[in-house]
Amino acid sequence: QKEVEQDPGPLSVPEGAIVSLNCTYSNSAFQYFMWYRQYSRKGPELLMYTYSSGNKEDGRFTAQVDKSSKYISLFIRDSQPSDSATYLCAMSAGPINAGGTSYGKLTFGQGTILTVHP
Amino acid sequence: GAGVSQSPSNKVTEKGKDVELRCDPISGHTALYWYRQSLGQGLEFLIYFQGNSAPDKSGLPSDRFSAERTGGSVSTLTIQRTQQEDSAVYLCASSSDGGSGELFFGEGSRLTVL
Repeated sequence: QKEVEQDPGPLSVPEGAIVSLNCTYSNSAFQYFMWYRQYSRKGPELLMYTYSSGNKEDGRFTAQVDKSSKYISLFIRDSQPSDSATYLCAMSAGPINAGGTSYGKLTFGQGTILTVHP
Repeated sequence: GAGVSQSPSNKVTEKGKDVELRCDPISGHTALYWYRQSLGQGLEFLIYFQGNSAPDKSGLPSDRFSAERTGGSVSTLTIQRTQQEDSAVYLCASSSDGGSGELFFGEGSRLTVL
């Protein structure tokens, strides 16, 4: 079983829809949770970064972390065609550069392919 | 350049040949990572360099894979005696000390082993 599970989709929604993307994980040591967005033939780029449990909002995007359930979510409101991409959840046990230890190792989900059609 | 630069962007090779993939991180970034992305498999950690510390090689899939980072900057990932299962996109990322932890990725090197 993988440490991080993410439904690969694909997910297709109409413009303006609310999108919910989710990941579950098994490693209770994970404390830092991220969502990356990857456009076709490009490298992933950081979208949201949260620590421990709780919510974080940035514009149309909201990230939620529930450590008790080992479950994280990304919500996209008023989705746009430009949101069409692969969304990857990622997590780590500690800060990315904690004293040169292997905390720098991000564990990624498989990615969910999202298409928002006009 | 302003971002992480990787070369070549595409590489087609024959089974059994050696390949070298290059990564030029963002200037001043002390941490450098290599990940592999296979179709439908997400990103698989390979190796992590942090300053002068010994690299974390725990993700390298076999002894055919090796990586080095010269002068704390440019990194080369070498795959010896390539196999078809090595076909993937190899992504390099860098990050800065004490930052938000954001990894900045290059666009990847797409390797196809025939």
